[in-house]
Amino acid sequence: GENVEQHPSTLSVQEGDSAVIKCTYSDSASNYFPWYKQELGKGPQLIIDIRSNVGEKKDQRIAVTLNKTAKHFSLHITETQPEDSAVYFCAASISQSARQLTFGSGTQLTVLP
Amino acid sequence: SQTIHQWPATLVQPVGSPLSLECTVEGTSNPNLYWYRQAAGRGLQLLFYSVGIGQISSEVPQNLSASRPQDRQFILSSKKLLLSDSGFYLCAWTPIGTEDSPLHFGNGTRLTVT
Repeated sequence: GENVEQHPSTLSVQEGDSAVIKCTYSDSASNYFPWYKQELGKGPQLIIDIRSNVGEKKDQRIAVTLNKTAKHFSLHITETQPEDSAVYFCAASISQSARQLTFGSGTQLTVLP
Repeated sequence: SQTIHQWPATLVQPVGSPLSLECTVEGTSNPNLYWYRQAAGRGLQLLFYSVGIGQISSEVPQNLSASRPQDRQFILSSKKLLLSDSGFYLCAWTPIGTEDSPLHFGNGTRLTVT
């Protein structure tokens, strides 16, 4: 089955700096890669996703890049703000079915004021 | 708009006691429903999913069971809790017939088995 590894497990950045979280996956058939943000005391929420037919997707300060050859994808957050502090999860799937998502272990991002 | 409710938010139970966690969804009909467990330092693991009343699929063998007695109600249960059942349990839903819709999670239940 699919295996998703996520790094780093914790990340601290100064407010205004950029943050990068990386994930690798094992199944070359995977073609859907969502990112979820989990704030303290809440459930995860989808923030951005990418499909294998594109290499990059951007939404304001958030971007995701995908390298299918190397089987890795990354989340980039620019101009970080304190409200970006949360746990971020990557996931991979051979389809967009929620039942087939394999999640990474999460990254605790802390934005220092 | 649709909302999902989970309760309780936190729970401390002794080993060997029973468990019942409840999840309800409002504002939609016939949702696909999911139970996930989030262990410390690990990702989200899908435990059960349901596409309709009484239809439950288990993803991993475990000490837990799930039931869907009503369209928008999903219950996670155990007859006898183990220490290893401790964790953060999340309920989620997706709209019926749209397998590619993102998951909508509840706020979770923190279960500590002592």
